[in-house]
Amino acid sequence: KAGVTQTPRYLIKTRGQQVTLSCSPISGHRSVSWYQQTPGQGLQFLFEYFSETQRNKGNFPGRFSGRQFSNSRSEMNVSTLELGDSALYLCASSFYSVNTEAFFGQGTRLTVV
Amino acid sequence: QQQVKQSPQSLIVQKGGISIINCAYENTAFDYFPWYQQFPGKGPALLIAIRPDVSEKKEGRFTISFNKSAKQFSLHIMDSQPGDSATYFCAASSGDKIIFGKGTRLHILP
Repeated sequence: KAGVTQTPRYLIKTRGQQVTLSCSPISGHRSVSWYQQTPGQGLQFLFEYFSETQRNKGNFPGRFSGRQFSNSRSEMNVSTLELGDSALYLCASSFYSVNTEAFFGQGTRLTVV
Repeated sequence: QQQVKQSPQSLIVQKGGISIINCAYENTAFDYFPWYQQFPGKGPALLIAIRPDVSEKKEGRFTISFNKSAKQFSLHIMDSQPGDSATYFCAASSGDKIIFGKGTRLHILP
């Protein structure tokens, strides 16, 4: 069974640009959640998608958005990048929700310069 | 109310010893408490999880102890091995969100 795949693995962007990250969940999993991991703030929940609908959202500004497609693949977009957005962005897939067993991808390392 | 406090930040244990990591939460709506293990360059991997209707869950060398009245839960790693050296995160979820502890960097001395 293939795991959660995130692309790209590494990304360097300039302040003010926007970026789109991709996540392919485990086959059969309908819930995809996104997280930001930084040394200072740790792992923080961004949002969760289920059946193409955003079901839950963490405390992040509107510059952070996402979507989910009919095949459960998900994308996360960050607009008007700031230096503080530099982080490891992780997605996790689960069969039903963040309240059940979740499998993480290896993440996308975003560096904003 | 939304915090999950994890301690210690770092831990050094001799091979064969018991590693203990503690977490405390405030929101009584949390009903799912997983522990994740993360190696450098990798995403977190679920180790073991518990729901508040049981006080203890054991899987191999890993045990979660859960104290609902104290709003605390802990991870015990028995017979710790050098391969257990990693960062461990506790988390608490209420279904609509999940909050992680800040992590514990565990180092097992060979």
